[in-house]
Amino acid sequence: SQQGEEDPQALSIQEGENATMNCSYKTSINNLQWYRQNSGRGLVHLILIRSNEREKHSGRLRVTLDTSKKSSSLLITASRAADTASYFCATANQAGTALIFGKGTTLSVSS
Amino acid sequence: EAQVTQNPRYLITVTGKKLTVTCSQNMNHEYMSWYRQDPGLGLRQIYYSMNVEVTDKGDVPEGYKVSRKEKRNFPLILESPSPNQTSLYFCASSSLGAQYEQFFGPGTRLTVL
Repeated sequence: SQQGEEDPQALSIQEGENATMNCSYKTSINNLQWYRQNSGRGLVHLILIRSNEREKHSGRLRVTLDTSKKSSSLLITASRAADTASYFCATANQAGTALIFGKGTTLSVSS
Repeated sequence: EAQVTQNPRYLITVTGKKLTVTCSQNMNHEYMSWYRQDPGLGLRQIYYSMNVEVTDKGDVPEGYKVSRKEKRNFPLILESPSPNQTSLYFCASSSLGAQYEQFFGPGTRLTVL
C-alpha cells in the first residue's frame, strides 16, 4: 500500500541550479520524512517535518508541508554533482509499524 | 559509531538453497524491520519486530522468516529462495515510538538463480 507519490520521477539539472521534488500522500500524518539513496545503496535520512510545521531547513535543503493538500516538497539549492541520487518521501503507516515510501525522484546533477 | 550493519552485502545463490541475511544494530533500538526494494515497486516491508521475541508480518512476508532472540540482531531467513526473491534488502531500526524515524543498513543485494 503506497502512501507517498513523488513527482517528477526523474529530474536532470546542471550544477548550481535548484532542484525541487514533490510528494503527495493519502492519509493523515504525524510527520513526513525525506530520504536519499545513492545508486543501489542504503537510505540516508535527510529531514523530518512534523504535521504542525509548514517549513523546515537543513543546510541546502528546504522542506515544506501542506497538510490541507496532503503534499510536501523538497528543495535542494545550489545543487552539486554529489546530490545525484534518488529521493524518497516516507510516512508511517496507520499502525506505526512501517514506513511507507513513494517510488522516488531520481535526480541527476551534471557538472 | 551508531549504525545498522548487514551481511552479506552481496549474495548470488541458487533456487532452494537456504540462506540467512544478518542484521545488527548498536543503538539499543527496540524496533527492527526488513524491507525489500524492487524497481517500480519501491520499498515494501517484509517483517518487523517491536522487541525481543515479538515479530509480525509486513506487506510481503511470503517466503521469509525472521527471529528476534536478541535485541541487537534481526536475521532474515529464506528457507527455500526462489528467483522472485531477487531484490535489494534493507534492515532498519528505531526506538520504540519513533518508528517514523528509522535508521537503515547499507543493503544486501541478493540474486537467486
